[in-house]
Amino acid sequence: SQTIHQWPATLVQPVGSPLSLECTVEGTSNPNLYWYRQAAGRGLQLLFYSVGIGQISSEVPQNLSASRPQDRQFILSSKKLLLSDSGFYLCAWSDSLNTEAFFGQGTRLTVV
Amino acid sequence: RKEVEQDPGPFNVPEGATVAFNCTYSNSASQSFFWYRQDCRKEPKLLMSVYSSGNEDGRFTAQLNRASQYISLLIRDSKLSDSATYLCVVNMGYNQGGKLIFGQGTELSVKP
Repeated sequence: SQTIHQWPATLVQPVGSPLSLECTVEGTSNPNLYWYRQAAGRGLQLLFYSVGIGQISSEVPQNLSASRPQDRQFILSSKKLLLSDSGFYLCAWSDSLNTEAFFGQGTRLTVV
Repeated sequence: RKEVEQDPGPFNVPEGATVAFNCTYSNSASQSFFWYRQDCRKEPKLLMSVYSSGNEDGRFTAQLNRASQYISLLIRDSKLSDSATYLCVVNMGYNQGGKLIFGQGTELSVKP
């Protein structure tokens, strides 16, 4: 069966520090991969999605970037965190372009 | 206009009540539709897919009206354990990389 791993679960980082969140999927090949952010009390905002290695689509201009160095690995990064980057970051995968997605357990990021 | 809009919450209902959530989407090219459930501080989890013919899973019934671009979720005989936020989700399909767009969510609180 397919599983998705996302880490760390919680993270407290100072303003201006770099960020790297990693997500990996097991049990499937060529998944579609997604990064979402959920601010406190808000809905999910799609940040990036990828349909293949090296293919990244960005949804909103922001202080973040994403990379997909391997088929089942998706990384969210920032060179310098802002206070407004705080939130609940969720990685998700789907196995086709017309189906539901499955989420990792999320990373709760607090920028201080 | 938001791509996916849901009823504002919260809905506070007694155990045993029937509750209905509504959702509208703006892009007529949307391909597939889902309801997710999100518990406090957890990742969203798929509740059910939504089909034009309507579909039922135990106490839950989902309906899709493509002409009106409207999706609904009905919960019968509410349980305390149904308390959560319910998210309406639209998959934008192949031409948009299988992007999943989430509504803001409707919070349900079932009271004894």
